[in-house]
Amino acid sequence: GAGVSQSPRYKVAKRGQDVALRCDPISGHVSLFWYQQALGQGPEFLTYFQNEAQLDKSGLPSDRFFAERPEGSVSTLKIQRTQQEDSAVYLCASSAYRDRSYEQYFGPGTRLTVT
Amino acid sequence: SQQGEEDPQALSIQEGENATMNCSYKTSINNLQWYRQNSGRGLVHLILIRSNEREKHSGRLRVTLDTSKKSSSLLITASRAADTASYFCATLGVYSGGGADGLTFGKGTHLIIQP
Repeated sequence: GAGVSQSPRYKVAKRGQDVALRCDPISGHVSLFWYQQALGQGPEFLTYFQNEAQLDKSGLPSDRFFAERPEGSVSTLKIQRTQQEDSAVYLCASSAYRDRSYEQYFGPGTRLTVT
Repeated sequence: SQQGEEDPQALSIQEGENATMNCSYKTSINNLQWYRQNSGRGLVHLILIRSNEREKHSGRLRVTLDTSKKSSSLLITASRAADTASYFCATLGVYSGGGADGLTFGKGTHLIIQP
């Protein structure tokens, strides 16, 4: 079956531009996570959805970051007024259960470069 | 912030040898997971071990968990060139909310298998 997909795979933005990153989770997966991975580092948690409810957004680095999942499937991570420090790979993951203690399936990521 | 610390940061071995990577973490966990990441690709889940388990096997993989020492190890037996990748341990905390709903990753071990 299809895995988690993300688009675009690569995005170059000029500083100050807004960007929107899309995540299509595995069909039927209840839980959805966003992570940010800087070069040479492990991923860092950003936010967590259970269906359409955003249950934890305390990992979002600033109020320029906003995520939504309005119908409980596709999710969008939006970054307003991008800064150079936002350059990273943004990973989306989904999990089949409400219980967050099960394995997560990751998408290929969107590599964002802010110039 | 990253909770886990993998050791070593880099490891180069000959094909056919065994590879051992270690992970230490700081807070109480629900479970610990190991992921593999190839260059330019997403994270692939390898194995999950729960806090009440001490050892788990999956194919050529063996994971141990010592909650008293807050440490885990991943052993890959009979390594192959295709095992070349970065390996990350990730922990899920006992408590939810406040940024703890997602996995907390270490910085990873970069494993190179020489043919």
